[in-house]
Amino acid sequence: GIQVEQSPPDLILQEGANSTLRCNFSDSVNNLQWFHQNPWGQLINLFYIPSGTKQNGRLSATTVATERYSLLYISSSQTTDSGVYFCAVEEQGGSEKLVFGKGTKLTVNP
Amino acid sequence: DVKVTQSSRYLVKRTGEKVFLECVQDMDHENMFWYRQDPGLGLRLIYFSYDVKMKEKGDIPEGYSVSREKKERFSLILESASTNQTSMYLCASSLMSGSKLFFGSGTQLSVL
Repeated sequence: GIQVEQSPPDLILQEGANSTLRCNFSDSVNNLQWFHQNPWGQLINLFYIPSGTKQNGRLSATTVATERYSLLYISSSQTTDSGVYFCAVEEQGGSEKLVFGKGTKLTVNP
Repeated sequence: DVKVTQSSRYLVKRTGEKVFLECVQDMDHENMFWYRQDPGLGLRLIYFSYDVKMKEKGDIPEGYSVSREKKERFSLILESASTNQTSMYLCASSLMSGSKLFFGSGTQLSVL
């Protein structure tokens, strides 16, 4: 099955800093989504982005499907951005299930 | 906004008990999913359903069953709870295959 690798596994920032999180996947995908899990465990869907670039406030995401990676950019980070960021993909011609990466744990210090 | 509601935030059960975890979504979504999340193992799919009364095994179905009698409700059943089923259980739904996935707030289950 498809493999999903996220990097870095852990990231510590000062408030106001920018960051880039990466998601590599091993095969062609139909579907790629980014999620944020807050410290209380709630998973929020940030982006549905099988290709191209999208922006939502301080967050943006780019997926380069031909090169099998996606990037999540966080600008001017805030303490509320802390948590774990997951990338999930659905393999083309696969079982229509999302496969999740292990996540990047982000800590933003005041 | 889509709302996916899980019946309990925290649950403590004894080994051997039958456990029901309930999930309800309010947006007429076709697909519903149950995941468990464990430290170091990430999110793993237990079961999913594409339609009422339909179910498909995920990656770790052993020890679990599911029920979907109505479109909006998807139940996860632990027939005889064991300590290795202590975990965070997350329900999710999507409008159709390949569309955006929405999660409930999770149920932290402890089996003693």
